[in-house]
Amino acid sequence: EPEVTQTPSHQVTQMGQEVILRCVPISNHLYFYWYRQILGQKVEFLVSFYNNEISEKSEIFDDQFSVERPDGSNFTLKIRSTKLEDSAMYFCASGPSYNSPLHFGNGTRLTVT
Amino acid sequence: AQSVTQLGSHVSVSEGALVLLRCNYSSSVPPYLFWYVQYPNQGLQLLLKYTTGATLVKGINGFEAEFKKSETSFHLTKPSAHMSDAAEYFCAVSEGASGGGADGLTFGKGTHLIIQP
Repeated sequence: EPEVTQTPSHQVTQMGQEVILRCVPISNHLYFYWYRQILGQKVEFLVSFYNNEISEKSEIFDDQFSVERPDGSNFTLKIRSTKLEDSAMYFCASGPSYNSPLHFGNGTRLTVT
Repeated sequence: AQSVTQLGSHVSVSEGALVLLRCNYSSSVPPYLFWYVQYPNQGLQLLLKYTTGATLVKGINGFEAEFKKSETSFHLTKPSAHMSDAAEYFCAVSEGASGGGADGLTFGKGTHLIIQP
């Protein structure tokens, strides 16, 4: 069964550095998402992306965050200047249509030191 | 605004016993409701969803959930627990017309299900 793939599984970075989290959604999917889960807290919606533009974004998704689909297969989340509070598990998800459940990747654990 | 409350961060049941994981939601419009499961070191996997129609929804691995509008609940049940059911379970709600989360899913904090041998 096709899967959403996220790399790396764990990334450690220093505060103030830029990080790019990578995701390969399922190939025929059109809707893409990022969620995050701070340790011990709930999974939170960050952003949804369709037709090469952001569809929805949450209050968390401020100017330090950006998303991109640089080619036909990758979907990336960039954090420009990381803060300690950005430490979390980041989940990528995709869906084939507007009215479909999401398929999640295994997540990237980001640790900001 | 929508929200989800999962009662009990940890639930422990014996193998073979009934599993009941509670979820209550608040939503200003008819909700779309989901249960996801997360096994260790894996992503979130959809167990089942309610959009419209029958209020008792059957999912994978023998789980089911019943949408009760009057109680604003969507509790997850399984008649007989198996060791392989040990995982984190998340209830989620979407108010979007998509019913699938394109407008963003709101998750509960999760319930860690422990199965005692």
